[in-house]
Amino acid sequence: GDSVTQMEGPVTLSEEAFLTINCTYTATGYPSLFWYVQYPGEGLQLLLKATKADDKGSNKGFEATYRKETTSFHLEKGSVQVSDSAVYFCALRSGGGADGLTFGKGTHLIIQP
Amino acid sequence: NAGVTQTPKFQVLKTGQSMTLQCAQDMNHNSMYWYRQDPGMGLRLIYYSASEGTTDKGEVPNGYNVSRLNKREFSLRLESAAPSQTSVYFCASSPSGQGGIYEQFFGPGTRLTVL
Repeated sequence: GDSVTQMEGPVTLSEEAFLTINCTYTATGYPSLFWYVQYPGEGLQLLLKATKADDKGSNKGFEATYRKETTSFHLEKGSVQVSDSAVYFCALRSGGGADGLTFGKGTHLIIQP
Repeated sequence: NAGVTQTPKFQVLKTGQSMTLQCAQDMNHNSMYWYRQDPGMGLRLIYYSASEGTTDKGEVPNGYNVSRLNKREFSLRLESAAPSQTSVYFCASSPSGQGGIYEQFFGPGTRLTVL
């Protein structure tokens, strides 16, 4: 079955540091890939997505590139802020239709001033 | 638009009690989902409804039932709650249909504790 593996947290960085959160996946066919963010006490919000190989999703300074050859979708940001502190989830969806998303376990990011 | 709303926000049950979690969306989406979130486990799909009148099991359906009441509403029922069902429950909706890949929009969650 499908699966998503992402680096375990917590990840603690200083403000303005460079961020990378690794995500790799196993799936049949050509999945669509997503990064969701969850702020404390809230639901998940879509951060960015990519639907085919070599697509780059970007939003709010975050970027991730769909790498089919390495089955990866790593999340990056050049300069993090305290307000980026949250839990980040990598997820995939195989094919079309209405099936649910397969999520990674989440990475808790803590940014210190 | 309110997006996806869930009630209640918090609930404490005793083992064996029953309850229904309510979810509604005002985005005219076809598909709706119920997930549970447990520490260190990410989100796992319980049930989903591709369209009004249809429901399907997800990864962890045991102990739950669902009803797609209409296009807007999708409820999750625990008939006899167990401590293993202590979790945060999220409802989501999506405009997805055959051949399309769409994001899912999530509600704020219901935190359920079963004693």
